[in-house]
Amino acid sequence: AQTVTQSQPEMSVQEAETVTLSCTYDTSESDYYLFWYKQPPSRQMILVIRQEAYKQQNATENRFSVNFQKAAKSFSLKISDSQLGDAAMYFCAYEQGGSEKLVFGKGTKLTVNP
Amino acid sequence: GAGVSQSPRYKVTKRGQDVALRCDPISGHVSLYWYRQALGQGPEFLTYFNYEAQQDKSGLPNDRFSAERPEGSISTLTIQRTEQRDSAMYRCASSSNPPYSPLHFGNGTRLTVT
Repeated sequence: AQTVTQSQPEMSVQEAETVTLSCTYDTSESDYYLFWYKQPPSRQMILVIRQEAYKQQNATENRFSVNFQKAAKSFSLKISDSQLGDAAMYFCAYEQGGSEKLVFGKGTKLTVNP
Repeated sequence: GAGVSQSPRYKVTKRGQDVALRCDPISGHVSLYWYRQALGQGPEFLTYFNYEAQQDKSGLPNDRFSAERPEGSISTLTIQRTEQRDSAMYRCASSSNPPYSPLHFGNGTRLTVT
């Protein structure tokens, strides 16, 4: 079974600085998708960014970018110019192609200090 | 239009009672998913539907859990003879064209079994 590991239960960053959240996953499949979701205190679950495994180019969405290392099965999220509104739980997730099931990590709680 | 709507937001029930949790997906979304999130954990897949057909129920913990989506829109997750270990946040999500379209999550139902 696929697993997703987030080794940092908590991280903190100063406002305007850059922070990187780590994620590793275990799979023997070649067709899959990776995601980062944000869960603020409001209880929403918001998609931050997604990456298709077949794409070599790292995905970016404004201040959010990923470092996708397929051979190492690593998928880290970089948040640039951190803002107070970025404070949240961040979940890394894996989806095997065709399964329509997301497998989530345990999350990293990000604190942004003013 | 409106996002994914779940009701009730909070449910407190006594052990042994049955509960029904409702999910109203975004209009026109074909796929509907149920996840369960324990405190301090990432969401865990329970089941999903395409239209009214339940495609995968491998994540349902045992036969006390069931779900239906009879008309391909609103879905109900039912837990019979609730136990304390069923206490969690139950999240519903919908998507128009997975995996190319993102999952839109509802705000969840917080179930507490006393």
